[in-house]
Amino acid sequence: KAGVTQTPRYLIKTRGQQVTLSCSPISGHRSVSWYQQTPGQGLQFLFEYFSETQRNKGNFPGRFSGRQFSNSRSEMNVSTLELGDSALYLCASSRGAAGNTIYFGEGSWLTVV
Amino acid sequence: AQTVTQSQPEMSVQEAETVTLSCTYDTSESDYYLFWYKQPPSRQMILVIRQEAYKQQNATENRFSVNFQKAAKSFSLKISDSQLGDAAMYFCAYRIPNFGNEKLTFGTGTRLTIIP
Repeated sequence: KAGVTQTPRYLIKTRGQQVTLSCSPISGHRSVSWYQQTPGQGLQFLFEYFSETQRNKGNFPGRFSGRQFSNSRSEMNVSTLELGDSALYLCASSRGAAGNTIYFGEGSWLTVV
Repeated sequence: AQTVTQSQPEMSVQEAETVTLSCTYDTSESDYYLFWYKQPPSRQMILVIRQEAYKQQNATENRFSVNFQKAAKSFSLKISDSQLGDAAMYFCAYRIPNFGNEKLTFGTGTRLTIIP
């Protein structure tokens, strides 16, 4: 069974640009979460989607947004990129019920120059 | 707010030996889940072991076991017979098992080095 797939794996953007990252969850999983990992802040929760609805949101500015499609695939978008947005963005999926195991993808490395 | 603390930024262990990674957490909830995730150089987070707070028995997965002390809010990971493939960052994480709450709160991680 295929795992959580994230694309692209690596990308470089310029300050002020926007970026879209994609995540395909494990088949049958309806919940997709996004995390930002940086050396300074560690792993921080961005948001979570379930059946195309955002259920939870972390403490990030409005430049960070996401969405989920009917096939459970998810995208996250960061607008007006800042140098501090350089990070590993991890996507995770689960069936969405209480206590279900959460599985992670390999992440998308974003570098902002 | 829930917090997870890993006080050991780095640990090292001789191959085939046993090592224990520490984790403490702070919560006012009575029901929750605790996890240890491993992040190798590939950066994919891999679930190592999970513990439900309502279970008194410590979880075990092959060479990995936990020492869960609910009153002390402590959740340590013991790796027995350490192998070179165990080298990675290890993160302790906490989650409330409510429907609609998939948020994991992570500690800062412990980098484990295996010495051949």
